[in-house]
Amino acid sequence: AQTVTQSQPEMSVQEAETVTLSCTYDTSESDYYLFWYKQPPSRQMILVIRQEAYKQQNATENRFSVNFQKAAKSFSLKISDSQLGDAAMYFCAYRSGGGTSYGKLTFGQGTILTVHP
Amino acid sequence: GAGVSQSPSNKVTEKGKDVELRCDPISGHTALYWYRQSLGQGLEFLIYFQGNSAPDKSGLPSDRFSAERTGGSVSTLTIQRTQQEDSAVYLCASSLTSGTYNEQFFGPGTRLTVL
Repeated sequence: AQTVTQSQPEMSVQEAETVTLSCTYDTSESDYYLFWYKQPPSRQMILVIRQEAYKQQNATENRFSVNFQKAAKSFSLKISDSQLGDAAMYFCAYRSGGGTSYGKLTFGQGTILTVHP
Repeated sequence: GAGVSQSPSNKVTEKGKDVELRCDPISGHTALYWYRQSLGQGLEFLIYFQGNSAPDKSGLPSDRFSAERTGGSVSTLTIQRTQQEDSAVYLCASSLTSGTYNEQFFGPGTRLTVL
């Protein structure tokens, strides 16, 4: 079974600064996808960024980028120029590319991000 | 267009009662997922439906939990004889298909409290 670990229960950053959230995962599969989701106090999960395992290039979405280290099974999220609206719980998630686990997301424990003005 | 909606937003029930939680997916989405978010277990997969295929029930924690999806659209998650450990936020998501490239869009969840 796949597991996802987020070792930072809480992180904080000053507005306009950069912060990196860590995520590691364990899998024996070669075909999979990784995601970062944001969950604000409204509880609604929002997809921030995704990475296909077969792609070597790190994904980027505006101020959000990832550092995907496939051999190390590491998938960190970097938020640049942090904004107050970035404050939320962030979840790292894994999804198989096929097989019996196909379709479902496996989530890490989450990291609460606080942004200080 | 409208996103995924869930009802009720909050539900308080007594131990031993049955509850039904509803999910309305985005129109046209053929895949629908249920997840549970609790303090002790984090965010865990419960069940997913893809079109007319048999649902993947591998995440349901006990036979007290069941779900159905009528007409390929609305889904109901039923918990029978609720226990205090069932207290959690139940999240529903839908995607165009279950293909990995298709983003799962989440609803706001139902917070269930079992007294």
